[in-house]
Amino acid sequence: GAGVSQTPSNKVTEKGKYVELRCDPISGHTALYWYRQSLGQGPEFLIYFQGTGAADDSGLPNDRFFAVRPEGSVSTLKIQRTERGDSAVYLCASSRHGDPEAFFGQGTRLTVV
Amino acid sequence: AQSVTQLGSHVSVSEGALVLLRCNYSSSVPPYLFWYVQYPNQGLQLLLKYTSAATLVKGINGFEAEFKKSETSFHLTKPSAHMSDAAEYFCAVSEGGYQKVTFGIGTKLQVIP
Repeated sequence: GAGVSQTPSNKVTEKGKYVELRCDPISGHTALYWYRQSLGQGPEFLIYFQGTGAADDSGLPNDRFFAVRPEGSVSTLKIQRTERGDSAVYLCASSRHGDPEAFFGQGTRLTVV
Repeated sequence: AQSVTQLGSHVSVSEGALVLLRCNYSSSVPPYLFWYVQYPNQGLQLLLKYTSAATLVKGINGFEAEFKKSETSFHLTKPSAHMSDAAEYFCAVSEGGYQKVTFGIGTKLQVIP
């Protein structure tokens, strides 16, 4: 596609529920990143994929968070047993291998009530 | 560990005046440095990047930034503010590549007619 696509754009869920957030990167971009942006804060790194593998998942806050990229393209961020503190905008970005410029999607705004 | 400090969460300038947004970084290795802009309800857009080439970096929309190693700074400037520059600006740093970018808290720029 022309840009990084994230779906849904908005998600409201109840505390304790499971959610999946989807990211469709720019075609041909092998690197994919997930960030989380809380209100009034800058984006916070969660996880980085190079191809199908998670090269760095040190930013995932706890084991309720998990991400996959099974075919090296689309990625899904999964959050189990959601908590109100998980409410934030989840950003996805992609880049070509070896290119420092990452292109960001518009994000998914997650609200846990 | 890498970190970024943006001085001033809100900056107001008059239309036509100089824009100066301050960023200081901390990095244990030669860093890559970035400025991103975020317009309301939109994703992050890269303004410019420093990747160890020229220390004065020119970006889009008339913005530029100068890497000063002795001051560990990467301040963003524009000679003459335009109303369309009103947005939030994020400084970011990565060490040894692009896999894990640390963002500052952001500076909201207001342009007064």
